[in-house]
Amino acid sequence: DTEVTQTPKHLVMGMTNKKSLKCEQHMGHRAMYWYKQKAKKPPELMFVYSYEKLSINESVPSRFSPECPNSSLLNLHLHALQPEDSALYLCASSQDRPGRGPSYEQYFGPGTRLTVT
Amino acid sequence: QKEVEQNSGPLSVPEGAIASLNCTYSDRGSQSFFWYRQYSGKSPELIMFIYSNGDKEDGRFTAQLNKASQYVSLLIRDSQPSDSATYLCAVNPYSGAGSYQLTFGKGTKLSVIP
Repeated sequence: DTEVTQTPKHLVMGMTNKKSLKCEQHMGHRAMYWYKQKAKKPPELMFVYSYEKLSINESVPSRFSPECPNSSLLNLHLHALQPEDSALYLCASSQDRPGRGPSYEQYFGPGTRLTVT
Repeated sequence: QKEVEQNSGPLSVPEGAIASLNCTYSDRGSQSFFWYRQYSGKSPELIMFIYSNGDKEDGRFTAQLNKASQYVSLLIRDSQPSDSATYLCAVNPYSGAGSYQLTFGKGTKLSVIP
C-alpha cells in the first residue's frame, strides 16, 4: 500500500482566516514533506520532517506553520494568507535514507486545492 | 544551480506507438532518478525510479539511465490515450545523509492520439 491521504480536498479561505491542512500515511515512512504547486509548474518543496523533527524549511513565510504530531501525521497550519498563496498543496512521504546513497522514492497524496480570497 | 531539463512538448504520438521522454541533469553526483506522471488537476504519481546505469523495465514502462551523459529517459511502449499526461523527471542531486530535496524538471506534456 502506497497511500498518502490528505484533507480537505478543496479549501477556500479569506485572508484573515486560520485553517489547517492534514496529511496521513500508514506506510511506516519516517520522512514527510509539504510541497506547493502552481498551475503548469513543478512542485516546490516547502518543508521536510524526518523522524518527526523539522529537517528542512525552504525559507517559507511564517504564515505557513508545519507540525508533525506523530510519525503518521503531518499538518500545515495556515494564517493570514495572500491570494498568491492559492495553489495545490501536496503532502508526500518516503523512507528515510540511513546514510550516503540513493534517496528513497517519494509518494504524493492527492493534494489540497487551496483558494485564498 | 542544479538543473533538470525536459522538453516541455507537447509530444504527440499515435496510439500503440512508443513514446520517448527525455531528461538531462546538471549535477554529476546525482544518484536517484524518478519519473512521475501527473494528470491535469491531480497530484504526481510515481511510475518509475532508477539508481543504476542501464535499463529498468516495469510493464509498458522502461527507464534508462546514462550517468556519463547525465541523461535519463522514459519509454512508454504501446502508448494508450490514458497515458496522456505531463511527465515530470525528478533528480536527487545530493548524496549525503539526510538529503531529501528533489529537483524537478518542468515536465513534458504527452498527448496520445487515438
